[in-house]
Amino acid sequence: QVQLVESGGGVVQPGRSLRLSCAASGFTFSSFSMHWVRRAPGKGLEWVACIWEDGSNKHYADSVRGRFTISRDNSKNTLNLQMDSLRAEDTAVYYCVRGKEGFDFWGQGTLVTVSS
Amino acid sequence: DVVMTQSPLSLPVTLGQPASISCRSSQSLVHSNGNTYLNWFQQRPGQSPRRLIYKVSNRDSGVPDRFSGSGSGTDFTLKISRVEAEDVGVYYCMQATHWPRTFGQGTKVDIK
Repeated sequence: QVQLVESGGGVVQPGRSLRLSCAASGFTFSSFSMHWVRRAPGKGLEWVACIWEDGSNKHYADSVRGRFTISRDNSKNTLNLQMDSLRAEDTAVYYCVRGKEGFDFWGQGTLVTVSS
Repeated sequence: DVVMTQSPLSLPVTLGQPASISCRSSQSLVHSNGNTYLNWFQQRPGQSPRRLIYKVSNRDSGVPDRFSGSGSGTDFTLKISRVEAEDVGVYYCMQATHWPRTFGQGTKVDIK
């Protein structure tokens, strides 16, 4: 069955960096675009970034463009999110999600807390 | 960006009664390929979001048939024919026609 397992979350100071990963299994990873979506405490879902199947195209929310970088390794079935210059407002649970339009499978999420 | 506006934002419901959530987009969600990429998600307390409905009205595998989606263009609706206790949570619409992808604010459903 499809599984998406995020890792790499934790507590980090403002201005520092963190790298999230998502291990995919149960499907042909290289055939699907992948997203990161986040939910800040007490707020709704916010789309963060997307990378196409072969990594040729990437899209970012305005709130993270220039600070976050999405990447993937199809040989390892892994999706990554490099988060630099972190701000307090980046505090959220980050979900790895499958599919360009579909958003059909979601990971369990990993919590990122940006605090001094 | 396409703004997705849900109403109501809070929906107290009686068990066994119907419930309805509206979602309006600031521009048409009809893609150039003819599809309308409007999804509905449920997020139960302490869980990850789960897709219920895709492309306006297609129910995902395992989703009870009391859930239905309808609409077109800029105006969409999620209906629950008879609310059960397990339906408590936050419901989101999301458009995947335009970049960036955008979600509605969420509608919190709980039991009266």
